[in-house]
Amino acid sequence: GENVEQHPSTLSVQEGDSAVIKCTYSDSASNYFPWYKQELGKRPQLIIDIRSNVGEKKDQRIAVTLNKTAKHFSLHITETQPEDSAVYFCAAVGYNFNKFYFGSGTKLNVKP
Amino acid sequence: SAVISQKPSRDICQRGTSLTIQCQVDSQVTMMFWYRQQPGQSLTLIATANQGSEATYESGFVIDKFPISRPNLTFSTLTVSNMSPEDSSIYLCSVEESVYEQYFGPGTRLTVT
Repeated sequence: GENVEQHPSTLSVQEGDSAVIKCTYSDSASNYFPWYKQELGKRPQLIIDIRSNVGEKKDQRIAVTLNKTAKHFSLHITETQPEDSAVYFCAAVGYNFNKFYFGSGTKLNVKP
Repeated sequence: SAVISQKPSRDICQRGTSLTIQCQVDSQVTMMFWYRQQPGQSLTLIATANQGSEATYESGFVIDKFPISRPNLTFSTLTVSNMSPEDSSIYLCSVEESVYEQYFGPGTRLTVT
């Protein structure tokens, strides 16, 4: 089955700096890559996603890039704010579109 | 996106008992899923709740332990049976609203003593 690895496990940045979280996957058939943000005690929220036919997608301060050849994708957050502090999960979805394989999560701390 | 609710939001149960968690969606959805999130961990898919047929379970999860019902396109239940402290987790339902996109319910925080 698919194996998704996520790094780093924790990330601390100063407010206004950029943050980058990276994920790799093993199944070349995976074709959908969502990112979820989970604040403490809250549900995971879909913040951005990318499909395999696209190399990059942006939504205001967040962007996701995908390198299918290398089988890795990344989340980029620019101009970080304290409210960006949360745990971020990547996931990969393959030929069996029901099954999301989640990364282990990255705890982002944005220091004011 | 659809409004997803879960009941109860949290519970404390004694070992050996069972708890049924409800997931309600305000619109009809084809795909509903149940996940477990152990403390400080990632999300693990328990099963896909199929309307009108038996749920599809992932490796490591069995129907006797986690029976699931899906009587219609807006509702599903997950039962955690014969609970032990290792079942203490957050249980989340999710729905697929468009191709691939999944949205999560608020979760049920279960503590087994």
